[in-house]
Amino acid sequence: AQSVTQLDSHVSVSEGTPVLLRCNYSSSYSPSLFWYVQHPNKGLQLLLKYTSAATLVKGINGFEAEFKKSETSFHLTKPSAHMSDAAEYFCVVSAGNYGGSQGNLIFGKGTKLSVKP
Amino acid sequence: DAGITQSPRHKVTETGTPVTLRCHQTENHRYMYWYRQDPGHGLRLIHYSYGVKDTDKGEVSDGYSVSRSKTEDFLLTLESATSSQTSVYFCAISEKAGHTNTGELFFGEGSRLTVL
Repeated sequence: AQSVTQLDSHVSVSEGTPVLLRCNYSSSYSPSLFWYVQHPNKGLQLLLKYTSAATLVKGINGFEAEFKKSETSFHLTKPSAHMSDAAEYFCVVSAGNYGGSQGNLIFGKGTKLSVKP
Repeated sequence: DAGITQSPRHKVTETGTPVTLRCHQTENHRYMYWYRQDPGHGLRLIHYSYGVKDTDKGEVSDGYSVSRSKTEDFLLTLESATSSQTSVYFCAISEKAGHTNTGELFFGEGSRLTVL
């Protein structure tokens, strides 16, 4: 079975400082992993994805994540936070092909990022 | 932005009444999903569709039904709404699905439902 755990429900950083949002996953096979971002009163948007290619994945808006199989982690980082990064971030693992080819995605519970001026 | 429209965007209703939420897409994507979002729970899949008239249950399907009579429309129905169904509902679409593809979902902006 697949699962994903976001280790922090809320992270607060100052503008210009690094961002680290932590995610651990559990999967019975090589997973596909994603980070999505949700700004207030909006739908979710894909930030980046890992699908068994390079382990360091670069996404939009300067975010990146590193797939570490030995640690079962997929942490999201950004060198320098911007006020516009304030949002909720979701780590997601693909549940694979159960019941056909539908490939359900399993969402973490989210990490709310606050950015202080 | 992906062409996904949810309606209504906001609805207040009373316990026991039926409610239908509509998701309309202009992308011609095969897969459509309904999720609910609740604080502390992330997003949980209610139902999904892998083609016209082809649907299946997700993690939290009790009390919900869906229909897809056209590629572009996916309806979520609460036959008799309860207070536990107060939530924000998101429709999503994807061109592909399954473990070996990108798994990228495009989301609508959500429908906020309050059941009194």
